[in-house]
Amino acid sequence: QVNLLQSGAALVKPGASVKLSCKASGYTFTDYYIHWVKQSHGKSLEWIGYINPNSGYTNYNEKFKSKATLTVDKSTNTAYMELSRLTSEDSATYYCTILGYWGQGVMVTVSS
Amino acid sequence: DVVLTQTPPTLSATIGQSVSISCRSSQSLLDSDGDTYLNWLLQRPGQSPQLLIYSVSNLESGVPNRFSGSGSETDFTLKISGVEAEDLGVYYCMQATHAPFTFGSGTKLEIK
Repeated sequence: QVNLLQSGAALVKPGASVKLSCKASGYTFTDYYIHWVKQSHGKSLEWIGYINPNSGYTNYNEKFKSKATLTVDKSTNTAYMELSRLTSEDSATYYCTILGYWGQGVMVTVSS
Repeated sequence: DVVLTQTPPTLSATIGQSVSISCRSSQSLLDSDGDTYLNWLLQRPGQSPQLLIYSVSNLESGVPNRFSGSGSETDFTLKISGVEAEDLGVYYCMQATHAPFTFGSGTKLEIK
């Protein structure tokens, strides 16, 4: 069955970067766009953007254009999201999703 | 950006009761391809969101048929016909017609 397995929780210092992974299985990796969604503690969901795993084409929410970089590695069926210049506002749970299926989420905590 | 306004913010229901959640969009979600990309998600406590309904009224595979969706253009409704204990959580509408994709603020369903 379809599974999106995300990397473990991350504790990072302000100003640093972090790269999150999302390993897909159970379907043809290039058939579905992979989206990334942010959920700050106790709050609603924000769409960060998506990547077309076949072409590498990306579409970002303007709000996250200078914050997130989406990439894929087709050889390992893995999608990545790198978050840069982290601040406390970036502390949140991040999900990868193909909309019908969601990863388990990864909590990123930005703290010195 | 498209704003999705969900009401009510909280809902308290007894087992077996039927309930409805409204989602109103700040602009029409009818896409130029003729489809309307309005989805409904459920996030149970401590879990990732899961897709319940896609394109207004299509039940995702494996979702009980007590869930139904309706609406068009800017007004949409999710109905649960006979709430069960496992239905508790936060319900979100999400639009994928206009980038950036956006989510409603959520409706928390509590079981009395």
